[in-house]
Amino acid sequence: DAGVIQSPRHEVTEMGQEVTLRCKPISGHNSLFWYRQTMMRGLELLIYFNNNVPIDDSGMPEDRFSAKMPNASFSTLKIQPSEPRDSAVYFCASTLGSLPRIGELFFGEGSRLTVL
Amino acid sequence: DAKTTQPPSMDCAEGRAANLPCNHSTISGNEYVYWYRQIHSQGPQYIIHGLKNNETNEMASLIITEDRKSSTLILPHATLRDTAVYYCIVRGVGDKIIFGKGTRLHILP
Repeated sequence: DAGVIQSPRHEVTEMGQEVTLRCKPISGHNSLFWYRQTMMRGLELLIYFNNNVPIDDSGMPEDRFSAKMPNASFSTLKIQPSEPRDSAVYFCASTLGSLPRIGELFFGEGSRLTVL
Repeated sequence: DAKTTQPPSMDCAEGRAANLPCNHSTISGNEYVYWYRQIHSQGPQYIIHGLKNNETNEMASLIITEDRKSSTLILPHATLRDTAVYYCIVRGVGDKIIFGKGTRLHILP
């Protein structure tokens, strides 16, 4: 079975450019999470969707970051404009269920973003 | 903020049992203990979770003390492929899964 699929795997861009990261959750899963990982801050939860609706975006660092989930099989995380401090690995994860009852999160391989 | 304390790193000889401790002295009655691991350059991988009783699956065993203030993840026969960062997470119903710094486990040949 296909796992969580993220694209691109690697992205190098210049400061000020728009970056769009994409995620396809596991078929049938109805919760989706975006995490960011840096050496300094570790793994941080950015935003969580349930049934395509954003439930908690308190981890989104600032207005330059936005996330959407137009349907059950696709989500995007957009950074506009990008800054060097946004350089990180961005992970998408999905699971079946909602926060009260979730068990296992399935993570993608991540998108490594470098902003010059 | 993470509710757990783990040693930053540990070594274990290949073929031996790896015992990874986790302290969660402020855990409340409805909070679960989760373990994930992250192999270099990969996304985190779920290992196991439990509430009160000890749990075992094909990957590992989770031993939770009777007072629930600490737990141990046991990898019964560690291999080089078990080299990873292991995260112990305490999570209540409805809470988000928050990762701490974890324990970097080195399996020595």
